[in-house]
Order: sequence, then C-alpha cells, then structure tokens
Amino acid sequence: GAGVSQSPSNKVTEKGKDVELRCDPISGHTALYWYRQSLGQGLEFLIYFQGNSAPDKSGLPSDRFSAERTGGSVSTLTIQRTQQEDSAVYLCASRPTRYNEQYFGPGTRLTVT
Amino acid sequence: AQSVTQPDIHITVSEGASLELRCNYSYGATPYLFWYVQSPGQGLQLLLKYFSGDTLVQGIKGFEAEFKRSQSSFNLRKPSVHWSDAAEYFCAVASGGSNYKLTFGKGTLLTVNP
Repeated sequence: GAGVSQSPSNKVTEKGKDVELRCDPISGHTALYWYRQSLGQGLEFLIYFQGNSAPDKSGLPSDRFSAERTGGSVSTLTIQRTQQEDSAVYLCASRPTRYNEQYFGPGTRLTVT
Repeated sequence: AQSVTQPDIHITVSEGASLELRCNYSYGATPYLFWYVQSPGQGLQLLLKYFSGDTLVQGIKGFEAEFKRSQSSFNLRKPSVHWSDAAEYFCAVASGGSNYKLTFGKGTLLTVNP
C-alpha cells in the first residue's frame, strides 16, 4: 500500500519567510511524528500526535515552530520567520495504534537562504 | 533520559565480507530497539526491531541484531555485505508509555568496496 508521503520534497526560502511542510501518513495510522535531521544535531524528535491532539511537543525548538493535524490524517508543520539554522531535512513518520514501529516518509529538505 | 551511542561514524568493508555495526543504549526500563537504514536522499527504512522475547532478531535484507542486556548493546550484523548495502545506519530506542518517540544515535556510514 501507499507509504508516508511528504511535500514539498525540497523547499528553498528566504530568511524571515514562513513555510509549511505537509505530511500524509499511512491510512489508518493514528500516531504521527515529526523529526528533524541536520548535520550538527543528527535526528531529533519534534512533536508527536495521537489522533488530532499533540500530547508531546517537547522537541519543538522555539515558538516559531508549530504543527497541527486534521481529521486524524494530514499534518502540517509550520515554521514562522525562518532562520538559517532551520535548514534541515524534516521527516514525518506514522505508526499504527497497536504496534511500536514507525514508518518514515522521504522527508522535506528545507534550505533557508 | 534515554540515549543511543553508535561508536563508529564510518565503516568500510569489502563486498562479501561480514559486517557488524555497534549500538549501545541507555534506558531505564526494558527498551524497544530499532535499526533503520537511510540511502542518500531517502527517508528511513526499518530494518528490524526488538521488543521482547528472543534476543536474536531477524530483519529484512539479510540483517540480524542481537540484544544483550548485560552490555546494553544491540549490534547489527550481516554475514555477507552487498554493494547495495552502502548507506547510513541508525540505531534508535523508543520511549515507553503510549508515546514511543524515538531517540536516535548519530548514525554509521557504511562504504562497500568492490
């Protein structure tokens, strides 16, 4: 079946602009995660959704970062007033309710110039 | 707090040789452990997982890993490496409860020589 999809695959933006990154999880997966992968920090957890609520936002690096999930499906990660240090690959993953393994999308490469 | 250490940043092996990638974890309870592989420009693909039971787990692409509680290790092995195995490998531990967020190691880059 279809895997996790993310769009866009690449995004180049100017410093100070807002960006939205989209994640479509595997159908029926109730849990959704966002991670960030950067050269300096490796793979870092950002936020966890269960259904439409986010019980763990502990990884969001600043209040410029926010995320929402609607209909228990699609999620959007928004970065306001982007900074150069936001440049990274943003990975989305989903997980079915009864199992522990996460399935990752291909990522969105964000470059802030 | 949980953590994962992958001591080897880069490993080079010849095609056909055996492979072992090291992973050490720190976690208070029984860990949920994973190995993922990432090819250039791609997302993460799950190779195998350990939750409980048999400490030797089999995964896809001929990989296996052994959980050793006494050494806090979960090393990945393959008896004969193929050129297509060249990629970056990440070990991860999941938190408990209902969250299961992953904490990753820094990764090991595998180069395969012909």
